[in-house]
Amino acid sequence: RKEVEQDPGPFNVPEGATVAFNCTYSNSASQSFFWYRQDCRKEPKLLMSVYSSGNEDGRFTAQLNRASQYISLLIRDSKLSDSATYLCVVNELNYGGSQGNLIFGKGTKLSVKP
Amino acid sequence: GAVVSQHPSWVICKSGTSVKIECRSLDFQATTMFWYRQFPKQSLMLMATSNEGSKATYEQGVEKDKFLINHASLTLSTLTVTSAHPEDSSFYICSARDWRDDGEKLFFGSGTQLSVL
Repeated sequence: RKEVEQDPGPFNVPEGATVAFNCTYSNSASQSFFWYRQDCRKEPKLLMSVYSSGNEDGRFTAQLNRASQYISLLIRDSKLSDSATYLCVVNELNYGGSQGNLIFGKGTKLSVKP
Repeated sequence: GAVVSQHPSWVICKSGTSVKIECRSLDFQATTMFWYRQFPKQSLMLMATSNEGSKATYEQGVEKDKFLINHASLTLSTLTVTSAHPEDSSFYICSARDWRDDGEKLFFGSGTQLSVL
């Protein structure tokens, strides 16, 4: 099975800090990329999709580098409520097919302290 | 509000019993639903793809006779863990795809924590 690897974490940062998460994927045919947020024993929730041109949503910025098969998530001005596990997710298309499986990274735990 | 409802949220059972978990799409029809399992500090792992009106597609290493999936309607898929054992204790999550104005979305149920004694 193709892998999605993330920074092991945990990241312990003070409020207001800027923190960056990295993720690499091994399947060069992957087409779609996402960052999900998961709180303890809860379902993952989509934080943002990641586009080739990079995209920003408020304090969150996602970048994709296809050549290096690398995805990043930058969180600026961290809030206490940002504490969670952040999952890098890759849509691994089946060969020749239009349906794909989502492959989840193990996640990086972020803890924002007062 | 939740668009995928999963029940129960948690269940404790004795070894050897069977447990059924339900996953419902509330405001859309889902021809395909997905079942995942997540062990502590591990990633979500796809167990099987549930197809309405046909057999589920299981991932390699997942026993289809142990994890029975039924997708009898466009809004309901069930996962039954048969003859559960302590090693089956895990967090089980379902998801369903829907196409919205801004593209394809994946919605997750709230998960079921299974503890087998």
